Amino acid sequence: QSVLTQPPSASGTPGQRVTISCSGSSSNIGTNYVYWYQQCPGTAPKLLIYRNNQRPSGVPDRFSGSKSGTSASLAIGGLRSEDEADYYCAAWDDLSGQAVFGGGTQLTVL
Amino acid sequence: EVQLVESGGGLVQPGGSLRLSCAASAFTFSSYEMNWVRQAPGKGLEWVSYISSSGTTKYYADSVKGRFTISRDNAKNSLYLQMNSLRAEDTAVYYCARGNGYLVYFDFWGQGTLVTVSS
Repeated sequence: QSVLTQPPSASGTPGQRVTISCSGSSSNIGTNYVYWYQQCPGTAPKLLIYRNNQRPSGVPDRFSGSKSGTSASLAIGGLRSEDEADYYCAAWDDLSGQAVFGGGTQLTVL
Repeated sequence: EVQLVESGGGLVQPGGSLRLSCAASAFTFSSYEMNWVRQAPGKGLEWVSYISSSGTTKYYADSVKGRFTISRDNAKNSLYLQMNSLRAEDTAVYYCARGNGYLVYFDFWGQGTLVTVSS
């Protein structure tokens, strides 16, 4: 059972907008930055969003992050087949003094 | 281009030990925090350990506390994970990941090394 809760799966058709949620608590998302990682099949994870809503260079602006209270969301607009991957949210948890990940959301592009 | 290359994985019996290494290049290693993150087969990501740039501050996941030790050698641009008292549930791909000023901010990742704990 992950400290951060994500839906196990999500799907959309090419061109569509999809949102993935991440729910936490006051000791993690409520107090600290949220990060999102993308893991394409058979590859290492890649940083997608940092400090709630910032994109590293090279990440398309189709990807956006937001945070409100103890929840965060990753939105992917203009869905493309190459977006098919697992997506993980993460945050530092002040209560446990550890980094925590969500269980991951497998995105399928139909 | 930033490179992180893990090594040292393999098959080990329950109760055994293993030392993972991560060789860093193309950046000033001594200026960055480093982390280990693992992924059991078919499962999600699990953070394992963090070490500050100087090596003085270390954090561990509860699941490995007292059994794993993170360390670094800034002169050799290398990160290490000493794993003792290994259990079947430690079986995973272990990634080293560079930190960038904030905890959980993993901006570059290695390709991982597989550790299998089995008799």
